[in-house]
Amino acid sequence: RKEVEQDPGPFNVPEGATVAFNCTYSNSASQSFFWYRQDCRKEPKLLMSVYSSGNEDGRFTAQLNRASQYISLLIRDSKLSDSATYLCVVNSGTYKYIFGTGTRLKVLA
Amino acid sequence: GAVVSQHPSRVICKSGTSVKIECRSLDFQATTMFWYRQFPKKSLMLMATSNEGSKATYEQGVEKDKFLINHASLTLSTLTVTSAHPEDSSFYICSARQREWNEQFFGPGTRLTVL
Repeated sequence: RKEVEQDPGPFNVPEGATVAFNCTYSNSASQSFFWYRQDCRKEPKLLMSVYSSGNEDGRFTAQLNRASQYISLLIRDSKLSDSATYLCVVNSGTYKYIFGTGTRLKVLA
Repeated sequence: GAVVSQHPSRVICKSGTSVKIECRSLDFQATTMFWYRQFPKKSLMLMATSNEGSKATYEQGVEKDKFLINHASLTLSTLTVTSAHPEDSSFYICSARQREWNEQFFGPGTRLTVL
């Protein structure tokens, strides 16, 4: 089993739709969780950290479920500019960060 | 926000030559820097982790004599791909974090093509 797993997609959604991605992790000792966004042929950019109580940043909401060992990202009112690959990243408290393979999102006009 | 630069952004070289890539943290002290490699349509693969002033820790399967990493200061790390082969062609990305941070911030990447 991979340490961090994501559905690779692509998720094709119309503009204005709400879309959610999940990411599961295998190490129950994981402490820090993040969502990064990566555009084609570019470096990943931090979208948001994921806190235990869940957190929201504008149209983006992140949740953590420690019991089931997954994190989620919800995007409301999708924009064309949201089209990208969303990477789930997990850190177990060491220097090592484990990346998921990413979920591709395409927002269609 | 935290800014990380990389140089060069793109390099084309002949087989057998060595290529040095620089990674700099511009507005913070990077106590830890990471080097990743990414093949087309694949996820980032961690190659090595380096802490300032100490030897890099390489991931399994990454040859330390081929990929030389130096992290001599709190703002600079270098990756040297020695005796490059066409299969080393890839997108190399560094990232950096400060000791107190959970997040890491990425440089813009270096696209290496070995002919």
